[in-house]
Parts: sequence; structure tokens; C-alpha cells
Amino acid sequence: NAGVTQTPKFRVLKTGQSMTLLCAQDMNHEYMYWYRQDPGMGLRLIHYSVGEGTTAKGEVPDGYNVSRLKKQNFLLGLESAAPSQTSVYFCASRQGNYGYTFGSGTRLTVV
Amino acid sequence: TQLLEQSPQFLSIQEGENLTVYCNSSSVFSSLQWYRQEPGEGPVLLVTVVTGGEVKKLKRLTFQFGDARKDSSLHITAAQPGDTGLYLCAGGREDSNYQLIWGAGTKLIIKP
Repeated sequence: NAGVTQTPKFRVLKTGQSMTLLCAQDMNHEYMYWYRQDPGMGLRLIHYSVGEGTTAKGEVPDGYNVSRLKKQNFLLGLESAAPSQTSVYFCASRQGNYGYTFGSGTRLTVV
Repeated sequence: TQLLEQSPQFLSIQEGENLTVYCNSSSVFSSLQWYRQEPGEGPVLLVTVVTGGEVKKLKRLTFQFGDARKDSSLHITAAQPGDTGLYLCAGGREDSNYQLIWGAGTKLIIKP
């Protein structure tokens, strides 16, 4: 039972480069989320999805795009990376009113 | 804007001591969740409380939801080094079934 799997685990980008973070869950959860975590600021919601083919903006969506073409996958894209996007990114999924299941994170550094 | 404030932000105590972490807001929440996060990992759900005044126990951890559903506390009895981690509280928004409001976390270190 893998739960939520994030790839890659680490990545270093140069300013202006693009990349896609992949999140996959095997629990058939409807809701999926992308968060960033920065020291002292807690978890901030970037985008989320309430079902296959749907996405919505969260608290800090600028500079990011997402897609949920398949129920089990939620992709986070950075079109032109900036140093301010250096962070740890977490994907999570949820079903109903139960708690979130998180992946182990992607540590991204933009230089 | 709904906010959740956690206190203290940082706590370092000796093994065997008791401690309480607080999560406070001026807003009412539909539910309150507590998570623990270890370095290099994602948060892991510890408990969900949904009823005002509700108390839940998980071994040496006691969680309480305030009567007015605006605040919560986590009490650890006889803390152990394995309790070390970042503790996060998250409140369910009354106006959205899809999102949580997160506290900034309490970093807890238990020294042997």
C-alpha cells in the first residue's frame, strides 16, 4: 500500500527553467492538494482538485499550474522557476471528511 | 480570513516531563485535526475532533476541542524522545468542505 507517492524527491533548477512535479495516489481518493512548506509559515495551499478533470486555486497559486487528467495523478508545473519558489512541496489526498494523507515531499531549490 | 495560531512555536524539554501545545482562533471550525511531521517526511494524521468539548486520547497524547470549536490543545504526558517532531493543527473551514486552515506548527524536542 504505497499511499501518496511524489517524484522527484529533490531537484535543483536554474531561474527560468520549467519542471513538473508528479503526485500519484493509490487509495482512490477524490480530493488532491498541492502545498508548499516554508520555515515559520506552515503549509500553504497552492492548488487543489475535488475530482478528476477539476482544479482550483488555493492560497498561493501564482507561478504554478496543475492538471488532474486521471483520478490517481495530480501534476504541479512550474513554467518559469524563480528563487522565491524554493521550498518543500507536499502533495496530499483525502476522501470525504477523513484526514489528509501526505506524500514525503519534494525539496526544490531554484538558483 | 481564518487564522490558526499555535503556541509555543518551539519547545525543548527533558524526557519524562509533561507539555501542552495550543491551537487558537477567533473563528469556528467544523473539525480540528492534529498532525505530526518528522524531518524529511510529510505530516501524519494523529487525530480528528469534531464536537465541541470532545476529548480523545492516543496513548500518552490527549487532544481536546474547545466547547465553542475555536481552539484545541494537545497534551503529552511523560514525553519521550520518540515524540520529537513538528506538531501541526488544522481546522476544517465551515464555508468549504475541501480545504483546511493550517497552523504554523510547534517544533517539539524531547531530550533523553
